[in-house]
Amino acid sequence: SYVLTQPPSVSVAPGQTARITCGGNNIGSKSVHWYQQKPGQAPVLVVYDDSDRPSGIPERFSGSNSGNTATLTISRVEAGDEADYYCQVWDSSSDHHVFGTGTKVTVL
Amino acid sequence: QVTLKESGPVLVKPTETLTLTCTVSGFSLSNARMGVSWIRQPPGKALEWLAHIFSNDEKSYSTSLKSRLTISKDTSKSQVVLTMTNMDPVDTATYYCARIYGMIVVEEGAFDIWGQGTMVTVSS
Repeated sequence: SYVLTQPPSVSVAPGQTARITCGGNNIGSKSVHWYQQKPGQAPVLVVYDDSDRPSGIPERFSGSNSGNTATLTISRVEAGDEADYYCQVWDSSSDHHVFGTGTKVTVL
Repeated sequence: QVTLKESGPVLVKPTETLTLTCTVSGFSLSNARMGVSWIRQPPGKALEWLAHIFSNDEKSYSTSLKSRLTISKDTSKSQVVLTMTNMDPVDTATYYCARIYGMIVVEEGAFDIWGQGTMVTVSS
């Protein structure tokens, strides 16, 4: 089965840049989506199709995908960005959707 | 406005069957660019995809849970139903339904809208 690996945690100071990686075999050939989940809330889509943003999501959230790693970048981090972040792809070989292991972003 | 809302029991006993209903509004389950998935999250743990269903009634299930899951839809009622048999305490989780929206290959689409989730506890 297809596996997506994320770092368990990322810490960043306010105003700095947070980068969250998502590793998977040849993930660059897949469409990667990213979700933000705050405590007690449902996940929210923040980036889709590697680098597109849904309406209402700040430009500070961006994504890239190449080779075996996809990356979610949060620029000018704010206290309100503190949350868990998950990457997700659809694995065509199994017709399964796969979530990453999740990354907790802490704003120092 | 597009919404999804999960409903079902809060508490089930071990070995019982869980039935969850996702009622959608603001879009049709017959839309070829959309589908609905069920996703769960045990307390303090990561998201786990369970199953999906699309407008053409194509279905797919998590390999590890396939023998216990059934997903179906009633387009006229705008509902997607998930049943999970032989419930166990390890199945205690928040269960979400979410819309998949894909412009070209619908299965590749993102979960763009999520329900609020429903917490299910498995205990005797």
